[in-house]
Amino acid sequence: DADVTQTPRNRITKTGKRIMLECSQTKGHDRMYWYRQDPGLGLRLIYYSFDVKDINKGEISDGYSVSRQAQAKFSLSLESAIPNQTALYFCATSAPYTDTQYFGPGTRLTVL
Amino acid sequence: GQQLNQSPQSMFIQEGEDVSMNCTSSSIFNTWLWYKQDPGEGPVLLIALYKAGELTSNGRLTAQFGTTRKDSFLNISASIPSDVGIYFCAGQEGLGGSQGNLIFGKGTKLSVKP
Repeated sequence: DADVTQTPRNRITKTGKRIMLECSQTKGHDRMYWYRQDPGLGLRLIYYSFDVKDINKGEISDGYSVSRQAQAKFSLSLESAIPNQTALYFCATSAPYTDTQYFGPGTRLTVL
Repeated sequence: GQQLNQSPQSMFIQEGEDVSMNCTSSSIFNTWLWYKQDPGEGPVLLIALYKAGELTSNGRLTAQFGTTRKDSFLNISASIPSDVGIYFCAGQEGLGGSQGNLIFGKGTKLSVKP
């Protein structure tokens, strides 16, 4: 079984809708991250969490919110989706005081 | 914010050829990581570098942590079709796990012609 899972894998929605992307991990890592990938722009950090009580904004947090429900779960929400949020979204985890991040398979989100 | 310059943006090579790509930064990094992303998948770690001058291999892949600590290189020898994908460098300015999270390059897209 995959260590980092994301649901859904694909989602098409309409402008203005609320969307939640979920991430679960079985690696036992405290740290979790949400990234966005756009063609030619690499990976950009949206939010990160170093433990259940710690949430931090990343480079591009506007228009997004997150919830760390448990050590193993980290959700990303788009309160009111807009077309320029169409992208690939990746969740990642890492152990404390290490730099190596392990990525989920991604969610392809399309906002019409 | 801090950015990494990764080059080339794309490569189209013949099977069996060697490949080189690199990343440079305007600031010093303490860690360099190289990831590969297959189509439809998330990035997978290939090599991690933690010390200036370090040269590390993983099969046909070799990566080096530049002595200036501002650059890193990835080489792939004798490329094969399954090497196709996007390769990302990532760097960490602070100590492991500090507030200075990983910064990613924009990727090098590798295509291999059989």
